[in-house]
Amino acid sequence: AQTVTQSQPEMSVQEAETVTLSCTYDTSENNYYLFWYKQPPSRQMILVIRQEAYKQQNATENRFSVNFQKAAKSFSLKISDSQLGDTAMYFCAFMKQRSEGAQKLVFGQGTRLTINP
Amino acid sequence: AAGVIQSPRHLIKEKRETATLKCYPIPRHDTVYWYQQGPGQDPQFLISFYEKMQSDKGSIPDRFSAQQFSDYHSELNMSSLELGDSALYFCASSLGDGTYEQYFGPGTRLTVT
Repeated sequence: AQTVTQSQPEMSVQEAETVTLSCTYDTSENNYYLFWYKQPPSRQMILVIRQEAYKQQNATENRFSVNFQKAAKSFSLKISDSQLGDTAMYFCAFMKQRSEGAQKLVFGQGTRLTINP
Repeated sequence: AAGVIQSPRHLIKEKRETATLKCYPIPRHDTVYWYQQGPGQDPQFLISFYEKMQSDKGSIPDRFSAQQFSDYHSELNMSSLELGDSALYFCASSLGDGTYEQYFGPGTRLTVT
């Protein structure tokens, strides 16, 4: 079974600062996907960024980037130039790769990020 | 663009009652997932369907059942409700062709009193 661990329950930074959220996972799979989801106070689950395990290049989406270390099974999220709207719970998630059909997400415990003005 | 629709958005039930949650996936999506998120917790996988067949089952109580219909919408039926069933229930949909992205609905907030 796969497990995802987020060791930082809460983080707080000032607006415009850079912050890094940590995530480690455990799996025996070689092919999989990793995700970061954002859950603001509205509770909507919003996909922030995704990484395919077969890709060596780290994914980036505007101010969001990841540091994917496959051998270390580490997948951290860096938010640059943080904004007040980034305040949310952030979940790291794992999914096995499959050619077709359903494949569930396994989530970490979440990190509550607060951006202070 | 069309998104995943869940109804109702809020539901209040008493203990031992029954609840039915509905999920309408994004058009052309043939795969549906149900997740339960308790207060202060991460979402936990309950059950999934691919092409109207149950695909995988997680930590879903025997009091819960679900199905996917011919139009691909899904319903989660919950009986003999308990206080601990109070949670946010998410439905997500995806294409079952190996593309992996799951699109989440807004969730149904169930409160059991």
